[in-house]
Amino acid sequence: GESVGLHLPTLSVQEGDNSIINCAYSNSASDYFIWYKQESGKGPQFIIDIRSNMDKRQGQRVTVLLNKTVKHLSLQIAATQPGDSAVYFCAENPGGSNYKLTFGKGTLLTVNP
Amino acid sequence: SAVISQKPSRDICQRGTSLTIQCQVDSQVTMMFWYRQQPGQSLTLIATANQGSEATYESGFVIDKFPISRPNLTFSTLTVSNMSPEDSSIYLCSVDFGTDTQYFGPGTRLTVL
Repeated sequence: GESVGLHLPTLSVQEGDNSIINCAYSNSASDYFIWYKQESGKGPQFIIDIRSNMDKRQGQRVTVLLNKTVKHLSLQIAATQPGDSAVYFCAENPGGSNYKLTFGKGTLLTVNP
Repeated sequence: SAVISQKPSRDICQRGTSLTIQCQVDSQVTMMFWYRQQPGQSLTLIATANQGSEATYESGFVIDKFPISRPNLTFSTLTVSNMSPEDSSIYLCSVDFGTDTQYFGPGTRLTVL
């Protein structure tokens, strides 16, 4: 079956740097994508989402980019802070009446002070 | 945003026993989901729990092992039956308010000895 995967399982950055977390998806029919942050001992927390009719969406310190041509999704975190240390998951929704999400493997982001 | 709570937050159980996990939402929601997250892994959907109808299970998950109840629009339970050490995982509930976005509870950390 089709799946969502991540290029980098771990990412280590210095505090204040920008972080980029990547995700590849294989279901070309997916029309909705979400990034989640999961801190140790907690449930996944919604960060930002994007629909397939957009290629960029910005939030507070975060930007999601969607490249449908190569089926690639990225999460950019500006001025990364120690509190950003967590596992980040991308998830895709295949659209239509199917509300299920398929999750990627996750990337562990470590921010060094 | 909605408050989603789970009980218990963690438990240690003996093999062969069963544990019922509760998920409570502070507002009415049509769609609720149950996920399993094995140690160091991503999230895997167990089933979709819809009020007024039988839960829909994903491949690899069966009702006898993971019975689900959904008595109303704010509450659901997942039972992990006849547990074995392989059932040691984090169990998460999530809700969808009709926007395709899922919001997660804090999770139940289960250890089976």
